[in-house]
Amino acid sequence: DADVTQTPRNRITKTGKRIMLECSQTKGHDRMYWYRQDPGLGLRLIYYSFDVKDINKGEISDGYSVSRQAQAKFSLSLESAIPNQTALYFCATSDFNEQYFGPGTRLTVT
Amino acid sequence: GEDVEQSLFLSVREGDSSVINCTYTDSSSTYLYWYKQEPGAGLQLLTYIFSNMDMKQDQRLTVLLNKKDKHLSLRIADTQTGDSAIYFCAESIRGSGNTGKLIFGQGTTLQVKP
Repeated sequence: DADVTQTPRNRITKTGKRIMLECSQTKGHDRMYWYRQDPGLGLRLIYYSFDVKDINKGEISDGYSVSRQAQAKFSLSLESAIPNQTALYFCATSDFNEQYFGPGTRLTVT
Repeated sequence: GEDVEQSLFLSVREGDSSVINCTYTDSSSTYLYWYKQEPGAGLQLLTYIFSNMDMKQDQRLTVLLNKKDKHLSLRIADTQTGDSAIYFCAESIRGSGNTGKLIFGQGTTLQVKP
């Protein structure tokens, strides 16, 4: 079984809809991250969390919110999706020196 | 500010060596990483180097770090078609609280021709 899983893997939604992307990990790591990937821009950090009570904004947090429901679960929400949030979204966990990535969620906002 | 730059594309013939280059701006980097992303997949950690090292070798992979020039390279020996992927360079920034945040380059697409 994969150490970091993301659901859904693909999602198409309409402008203005609320959507939640979920991430679960079995690695027992405290640190979790959400990134988005856009062609030619690499990965950019949206939010990160050191434990269930510690949530921090990354470089592009506007339009997003997160929830750390448990050590193993970290979800990303788009309260009102817009087309420029169309991207590939990755969750990652870290044991400080290494980050382990999930398979990604491809989100399309029409 | 923190910035990581990579060339966007590299094409090589199967069996040749590939060298993917990366430059970074933050001299306080602690670790520098190379990730591989195959089509439709997540990022796979290939290797990383601590900032006080000059070189690290792992089978077909050789990482060279020039701290003076803030230049990192990944050499893949005997490149195979299965090495075709996007390769990301990333740096871990030492900052207050030592967040472990990574700053990624744009990614280099490696095309391996048979």
